[in-house]
Amino acid sequence: QVQLRESGPGLVKPSETLSLTCTVSGGSINGYHWSWIRQPPGKGLEWIAYISYSGSTNYNPSLQSRVTISVDTSKNQFSLRLNSVTAADTAVYYCARHERGSYFDYWGQGTLVTVSS
Amino acid sequence: EIVLTQSPGTLSLSPGERAILSCRASQTVSSTYLAWFQQKPGQAPRLLIYAASSRATGIPDRFSGSGSGTDFTLTISRLEPEDFAVYYCQQYGSSPRTFGQGTKVEIK
Repeated sequence: QVQLRESGPGLVKPSETLSLTCTVSGGSINGYHWSWIRQPPGKGLEWIAYISYSGSTNYNPSLQSRVTISVDTSKNQFSLRLNSVTAADTAVYYCARHERGSYFDYWGQGTLVTVSS
Repeated sequence: EIVLTQSPGTLSLSPGERAILSCRASQTVSSTYLAWFQQKPGQAPRLLIYAASSRATGIPDRFSGSGSGTDFTLTISRLEPEDFAVYYCQQYGSSPRTFGQGTKVEIK
């Protein structure tokens, strides 16, 4: 059974960089696409970006200028960096798996990141 | 960007009743690349339906999806206590992938 687990700091200061890692277990990172999705408290879901196992990327234009996504196939991990954060970036961040052009089938449990001084 | 509008915002129903949730897209969703997710408090979304009408593995047959183009529907034929949750539609046919704002199904 594929499992995804997000990790990273739960508190980030305004103007700094949010960094999260998603570790994939129970299956290979190869052959799939891997996304980051976030959900502000009490609000809806927003897709941030995806990366393929081969490193091709696609970003949401609303966040593209601040986001970098990367993959480390040797560690079965992929990562998110979001710079110049503000309180509006406070959210639960999820990682998720999908095939190319397909639906999100596996999700991590999510990690809450709070932006505050 | 395709905007998905879900209605109603909240649905108040009793166990055993039928729930009908709507998702309308601002543009045609290509190849019916539309999914439905269920989310309970403190949990990640759970895939229910993909390709507009295909049930995901392990999803009970009381959940069904239909629609094409710009109009999609999720139907729960008889609500069970565990079905009270928030439901999101999501399109994956064009970038950026977008979600509806959600419909909360609450106990009446």
